[in-house]
Amino acid sequence: QKEVEQNSGPLSVPEGAIASLNCTYSDRGSQSFFWYRQYSGKSPELIMSIYSNGDKEDGRFTAQLNKASQYVSLLIRDSQPSDSATYLCAVNRGGPQAAGNKLTFGGGTRVLVKP
Amino acid sequence: DGGITQSPKYLFRKEGQNVTLSCEQNLNHDAMYWYRQDPGQGLRLIYYSQIVNDFQKGDIAEGYSVSREKKESFPLTVTSAQKNPTAFYLCASSVSSGSNEQFFGPGTRLTVL
Repeated sequence: QKEVEQNSGPLSVPEGAIASLNCTYSDRGSQSFFWYRQYSGKSPELIMSIYSNGDKEDGRFTAQLNKASQYVSLLIRDSQPSDSATYLCAVNRGGPQAAGNKLTFGGGTRVLVKP
Repeated sequence: DGGITQSPKYLFRKEGQNVTLSCEQNLNHDAMYWYRQDPGQGLRLIYYSQIVNDFQKGDIAEGYSVSREKKESFPLTVTSAQKNPTAFYLCASSVSSGSNEQFFGPGTRLTVL
């Protein structure tokens, strides 16, 4: 079993719809969770971090965390063609104050937003 | 502007050669990291450093070496012992306290000829 798992996609979404991405992790001690967006040929860009159970909203993005079920999800509302990218889920065993801990990444979900 | 720079953007290496990838940051971050990304896959940690003159192996350190002589710099050497070095190499950094968010440089794409 991989430590962090994501559906590789592609997830095809009509423009204006909601894209829903899921990520599961195996280490119950994980405390920090991140979503990165990576355009083809570019480096990952941090778009969301979440540390507590529940929802966290930032613009059109909502991250959802459920530690009991060991999953974290990302919702992209009003999807735009510019949202077409690979979204990487990353997990850190350390808490938000614990710098220097390593991230474990999932393989990424490719999202295609069609006009 | 504050940020992370990596050079070169593209690097070609002949088999048997060692090459060094540069990573510099002016964000005043204490922690720095090197990741490797293979096509269609997530990132895997090679080495990381939390303070100057100290670093730890990540999950795939074999065939790589690093140094951390300055806070701003964390160069990665890909040695001839690395069996399959062709990949996208990403450097990241984070602050030492208050947040564990990591931010990435633009990357170096290494190809072995």
